[in-house]
Amino acid sequence: NAGVTQTPKFQVLKTGQSMTLQCAQDMNHNSMYWYRQDPGMGLRLIYYSASEGTTDKGEVPNGYNVSRLNKREFSLRLESAAPSQTSVYFCASSDRDRGEKLFFGSGTQLSVL
Amino acid sequence: EDQVTQSPEALRLQEGESSSLNCSYTVSGLRGLFWYRQDPGKGPEFLFTLYSAGEEKEKERLKATLTKKESFLHITAPKPEDSATYLCAVMAGTALIFGKGTTLSVSS
Repeated sequence: NAGVTQTPKFQVLKTGQSMTLQCAQDMNHNSMYWYRQDPGMGLRLIYYSASEGTTDKGEVPNGYNVSRLNKREFSLRLESAAPSQTSVYFCASSDRDRGEKLFFGSGTQLSVL
Repeated sequence: EDQVTQSPEALRLQEGESSSLNCSYTVSGLRGLFWYRQDPGKGPEFLFTLYSAGEEKEKERLKATLTKKESFLHITAPKPEDSATYLCAVMAGTALIFGKGTTLSVSS
């Protein structure tokens, strides 16, 4: 049982480059989330998708776009990466009908030079 | 504004030395308080959900309690394998808001 799978695990970008972080879950969850985690800042919500076909901004959405491709997949895109986007990114999913317990992926460590 | 504050930021214990981690919160209409454990290089792993003041939940050496303004994670006779960062979060609106965490180190 894979749970929440994120790719890639590590990535180095140059300022201005673009990339997409991929996330897939196999638990048939309705809701999916993207968080970033920075030292001293905790986990902050970037975007979330309460159900297939919907997306909403979280606390720190600037510089990011998301796509809920289907019920399983939720991608995060950086159109023009900036050093301030250097962080560890976590995808998570939950079954809101059974409570808000989130299941997290193992994270993507992104460095923007 | 919804807010979660955890203390202390870091805690060092000897094996067997019991202690507590604190999570204080302000949220309009608590819909759940969550505790997670995070090991280095990994994603957070769910521990407990508490929904109402007075509620308690236990798992091995951990016990979580909830009042109207704060939650405690009590660690009884910790072992080195309990070393991790413990995160507290509250449900606000449609997503979780996390505290910055308490990093626990247990030495033998």
